[in-house]
Amino acid sequence: GAVVSQHPSWVICKSGTSVKIECRSLDFQATTMFWYRQFPKQSLMLMATSNEGSKATYEQGVEKDKFLINHASLTLSTLTVTSAHPEDSSFYICSARDRRRTGSSSYNSPLHFGNGTRLTVT
Amino acid sequence: SQQGEEDPQALSIQEGENATMNCSYKTSINNLQWYRQNSGRGLVHLILIRSNEREKHSGRLRVTLDTSKKSSSLLITASRAADTASYFCATDADDYKLSFGAGTTVTVRA
Repeated sequence: GAVVSQHPSWVICKSGTSVKIECRSLDFQATTMFWYRQFPKQSLMLMATSNEGSKATYEQGVEKDKFLINHASLTLSTLTVTSAHPEDSSFYICSARDRRRTGSSSYNSPLHFGNGTRLTVT
Repeated sequence: SQQGEEDPQALSIQEGENATMNCSYKTSINNLQWYRQNSGRGLVHLILIRSNEREKHSGRLRVTLDTSKKSSSLLITASRAADTASYFCATDADDYKLSFGAGTTVTVRA
């Protein structure tokens, strides 16, 4: 099945530093990747939609200068948390749709998720 | 944005019993999907039901969809300890994005 690799699985950083999280589709090409944030015992909140070769689309309330997204290839999207603060501590999860399922059929195709990154800012 | 509401928030059952959880949503959808999340991990896709389908089975899973009531249910039959996880419904509308419900935490006691 389709595999999405997310790295690192956990990271601890000091306040004010930047952290980069990578999301790779290993056996399929992903035109679109999605970045979610999840607080403990809560649901997933969509942060942004990452489109290959173009600017990401951010959800309302998400600071685009704080959460930089780059989707440089059909298999890699990165999320950089800039100048991280303790309130940015969270579980970040990426997901991707198979490029072969784009178009009308994408409405009925599942997302493939990475295993998430636990970010702790001290 | 979060569209789905799940019920119950938490469920504790004995191994071998069935587990049922419900999901309600607000707007029209193309499909509804159920995912499982083990603690501290990503989500695993379980089953997708299209808006023109009413029931779907996959192994020990049974999903129903009632678009008139904007609701869905997930039934896990003959539960096992390995089924302990959080279960999320997600709706797929016209904008390619999934909106997730709050989730149901299922604990299966041995």
